[in-house]
Amino acid sequence: GAVVSQHPSWVICKSGTSVKIECRSLDFQATTMFWYRQFPKQSLMLMATSNEGSKATYEQGVEKDKFLINHASLTLSTLTVTSAHPEDSSFYICSDLSGGAEETQYFGPGTRLLVL
Amino acid sequence: QKEVEQDPGPLSVPEGAIVSLNCTYSNSAFQYFMWYRQYSRKGPELLMYTYSSGNKEDGRFTAQVDKSSKYISLFIRDSQPSDSATYLCAMSVRGAQKLVFGQGTRLTINP
Repeated sequence: GAVVSQHPSWVICKSGTSVKIECRSLDFQATTMFWYRQFPKQSLMLMATSNEGSKATYEQGVEKDKFLINHASLTLSTLTVTSAHPEDSSFYICSDLSGGAEETQYFGPGTRLLVL
Repeated sequence: QKEVEQDPGPLSVPEGAIVSLNCTYSNSAFQYFMWYRQYSRKGPELLMYTYSSGNKEDGRFTAQVDKSSKYISLFIRDSQPSDSATYLCAMSVRGAQKLVFGQGTRLTINP
């Protein structure tokens, strides 16, 4: 399966600052990547679909101006949480499609964000 | 009603027991079915992937899909403490790319 990395693995920031999270597909050229958010003891919630070379598609209720997604290359997608607030504290996970006919997703290790 | 229903547990069983995890779904268009294992503070790891009805076995894990009943299962044989994790079912419609997840079941295997 695909190997996906994320950086940083955890980050603490002050309220009002911006935080950038990187997601890399290490062994597969991913034209499509996904960003999820997961709160404690809850399932994954899809935030947006990141498309290489075009605008991301956001799920209903996700503020596109707050969660900026850039997918400038086939191996890198970034999520920037702008003007972060304590309620943005969560576990952010990215994934990419396996390609071929499987249509499965492989996930990164996640980034834990704590906004003070 | 959620598209995918999964009992969140928690489920606690002794080491060596057979574990049965289940999900039901309402969308008959789902064709791809997956089980992910997620350890605490880690990303989900793909365990099993099945397409259409039937069984698929991989080591101690067996995935079962019953499309007529809209019901999928994951069986873990000879369970080990290292199997303690949250298990998420996920499914998708062909070509849709998006996954729809169950709530996840927290499983603890007691030594």
